[in-house]
Amino acid sequence: KQEVTQIPAALSVPEGENLVLNCSFTDSAIYNLQWFRQDPGKGLTSLLLIQSSQREQTSGRLNASLDKSSGRSTLYIAASQPGDSATYLCAGDGGAGNMLTFGGGTRLMVKP
Amino acid sequence: AAGVIQSPRHLIKEKRETATLKCYPIPRHDTVYWYQQGPGQDPQFLISFYEKMQSDKGSIPDRFSAQQFSDYHSELNMSSLELGDSALYFCASSVRGLAGLQYFGPGTRLTVT
Repeated sequence: KQEVTQIPAALSVPEGENLVLNCSFTDSAIYNLQWFRQDPGKGLTSLLLIQSSQREQTSGRLNASLDKSSGRSTLYIAASQPGDSATYLCAGDGGAGNMLTFGGGTRLMVKP
Repeated sequence: AAGVIQSPRHLIKEKRETATLKCYPIPRHDTVYWYQQGPGQDPQFLISFYEKMQSDKGSIPDRFSAQQFSDYHSELNMSSLELGDSALYFCASSVRGLAGLQYFGPGTRLTVT
């Protein structure tokens, strides 16, 4: 059974810092890896999807990488802004059409 | 672009009552998923449907049932509600043949009193 862990659980940084959020999974048979953002009490916004054949994806100030052999994914946020404050969740699936298994999330606070 | 629609957005029920949540997937998406997110927890998979047939089943209580209709919308029926059922319920949809990226709806917040 796939288990997904995110470290750290919470992170507080000053505005402008570059930061890395970590996601680890137990089953290397992971197929797709998605990173989501969730604001308090709100829905899930998909940020990046790394498909099985890919190693990384970039969108604006966000870069996500996937290393199946080590069971890790990282989300890199460049030049953080207060508007980036939210909970970031990673989730993996075992193939298209399969359920997503979520990590516990990293609660990010970017201070002005 | 069309997104996943969920209704209602908020629902308040009393213990032992019944609730029905609805999900309208993105047009031409063939797979629907339901997730439950309790307070302070990460989303947990409940159940999924592919082409109107149950595809996968997670930690869905026996008190809950779901189905996908001919127009691809899905409903999650919850009976004998308990206080612990209070949560955000998300629906997601995807196209099985295309990468599997799941698009999430805004969620239904269910409060059981």
